[in-house]
Amino acid sequence: AQSVTQLDSHVSVSEGTPVLLRCNYSSSYSPSLFWYVQHPNKGLQLLLKYTSAATLVKGINGFEAEFKKSETSFHLTKPSAHMSDAAEYFCVVKALGNDMRFGAGTRLTVKP
Amino acid sequence: KAGVTQTPRYLIKTRGQQVTLSCSPISGHRSVSWYQQTPGQGLQFLFEYFSETQRNKGNFPGRFSGRQFSNSRSEMNVSTLELGDSALYLCASSLAGQGSFLEQYFGPGTRLTVT
Repeated sequence: AQSVTQLDSHVSVSEGTPVLLRCNYSSSYSPSLFWYVQHPNKGLQLLLKYTSAATLVKGINGFEAEFKKSETSFHLTKPSAHMSDAAEYFCVVKALGNDMRFGAGTRLTVKP
Repeated sequence: KAGVTQTPRYLIKTRGQQVTLSCSPISGHRSVSWYQQTPGQGLQFLFEYFSETQRNKGNFPGRFSGRQFSNSRSEMNVSTLELGDSALYLCASSLAGQGSFLEQYFGPGTRLTVT
């Protein structure tokens, strides 16, 4: 079985301040983990993915995430938020042979 | 390379009707998955097709069906529409199926409204 929990449904930050979006996962097997972003009325865009290589994964637009097996976490961070980062973010877990399981999403608001 | 395309983008149907949604994957991608996105249930997996075969199916009633053609294009059909079927339907394609860790690429979605 596999599942993912996004700990915050809504995060609000000021432009230029750090972003932290939290994600915990559960998987019976070594999973692959992804972060996707969805802007209003758009499809999902892949930000980054972890597939058992380096535990610190760098993605697009300055985002990165760290895989911590002991904490079963895969939190998404960015040093400095930009207005264009305002969107919905989804943490996704996938085990081999299984479909992708999405978290409930975290809505990021960036204040000027 | 062109991305995943979905048609139509918006659709309004009445209860009891049926609807067919279309998805064209990225060239060379053989796996197509469908998802339903609603405010209440979030993103839920419908089914995946790989080389014209349904590989996996989510927990949806039989009113939801799909198929994949030899060119990897896929269609999703919903019969006897209910109000609760109103949602954004997303299609995603991947080079390989669920036996891999390859990422999926999503289309813009079809917004279905059932009245």
